[in-house]
Amino acid sequence: EEQLLESGGGLVQPGGSLRLSCAASGFTFSNYVMSWVRQAPGKGLEWVSSITGSGDSAYYADSVKGRFTISRDNSKNTLFLQMNSLRAEDTAVYYCAKDISTGNTAWGQGTLVTVSS
Amino acid sequence: SYELTQPPSVSVSPGQTASITCSGDKLGEKYVCWYQQKPGQSPVLVIYQDKKRPPGIPERFSGSNSGNTATLTISGTQAMDEADYYCQAWDNSAGVFGTGTKVTVL
Repeated sequence: EEQLLESGGGLVQPGGSLRLSCAASGFTFSNYVMSWVRQAPGKGLEWVSSITGSGDSAYYADSVKGRFTISRDNSKNTLFLQMNSLRAEDTAVYYCAKDISTGNTAWGQGTLVTVSS
Repeated sequence: SYELTQPPSVSVSPGQTASITCSGDKLGEKYVCWYQQKPGQSPVLVIYQDKKRPPGIPERFSGSNSGNTATLTISGTQAMDEADYYCQAWDNSAGVFGTGTKVTVL
């Protein structure tokens, strides 16, 4: 069974940093594009970032470009999101997802990030 | 940046057909997928590549995409279909989600 388990969320002050992790199992991790998608409280889904299977290419939403960095460790089947210069508007549940646009997609349960003083 | 616009809400009676639109510039030239999300749960893919259903998704869910509009149709809507629905597409390697539609089964 394919599983994605996010961790690393929590409360952080504005301007602070946080690193999210997503542990994958049940599929060949290096074969798939992985993404982070977030959802602010009571709001819709927002794509944040994606990375190719090899890790060679990464893509970001304008809202996080220059502040967030996506990466992966294929030897440990783990996806990361380094979040710097956090703002109140980054408060959201962050989902890790595999291949979000194909029939092979899988999503984690999400981890909550709260940016507040 | 690219935008996908959906109606905020759609109401449907049980057993009737619900249609949810997703509008974007030249959307018909892109692949669209649709997600269902119930309160407190992760999104679930119900349609990908405009009209394909993942395993386990009921046949009452169907999709189409042409021109500037993609449509998710739920035929014979059931109470369990009450949820938020989001369209999704890619534009120049950037993911885009629609604004979301709340489907209420009255």
